[in-house]
Amino acid sequence: GDSVTQMEGPVTLSEEAFLTINCTYTATGYPSLFWYVQYPGEGLQLLLKATKADDKGSNKGFEATYRKETTSFHLEKGSVQVSDSAVYFCALIFFQGGKLIFGQGTELSVKP
Amino acid sequence: DVKVTQSSRYLVKRTGEKVFLECVQDMDHENMFWYRQDPGLGLRLIYFSYDVKMKEKGDIPEGYSVSREKKERFSLILESASTNQTSMYLCATIKQGASEAFFGQGTRLTVV
Repeated sequence: GDSVTQMEGPVTLSEEAFLTINCTYTATGYPSLFWYVQYPGEGLQLLLKATKADDKGSNKGFEATYRKETTSFHLEKGSVQVSDSAVYFCALIFFQGGKLIFGQGTELSVKP
Repeated sequence: DVKVTQSSRYLVKRTGEKVFLECVQDMDHENMFWYRQDPGLGLRLIYFSYDVKMKEKGDIPEGYSVSREKKERFSLILESASTNQTSMYLCATIKQGASEAFFGQGTRLTVV
């Protein structure tokens, strides 16, 4: 079946370090891909998205590229800040039918 | 702005009680979803609905049922609450053919 797999957390980084959170998916069709972020005590927010192969989504210094050949959508940021501490979820949705599937989430903690 | 409202932010129920969690959206979205969020397990899909009176099982439907009598309202029902249903429950909506999901603030349910 369709699924999303993320790298396990928690991930702990120092401020200004480079961040990569891996995400791979299994899907029978051509989904759109997303990263959502959940800050402590808050709801889920859309961070970025890509709707077709080779698209790059970007927002707040984060970026991810839809790689159809490797079925991946890895999240990257060149220099993390303490305020980036949150749980990050990779997700996919099919344009037809609208089924939305999440990975298990990766907790990021950034230390000053 | 799309608004997705869950009826309660916090709920405490006793084992064996019938529990109703309500989700209402105001943007005429066709697709609605119920997830539960547990540490280390991410968001797991319980049920979803593409249209009024239509429902589909997600990955973990056991112990739950749903109702969609009106387009704007999607209810999650715990027929006989158990302690292993203690969790955070999230409702989401997506417009058919669109690629962005909108989330409620969540209901933290504790079953004692």
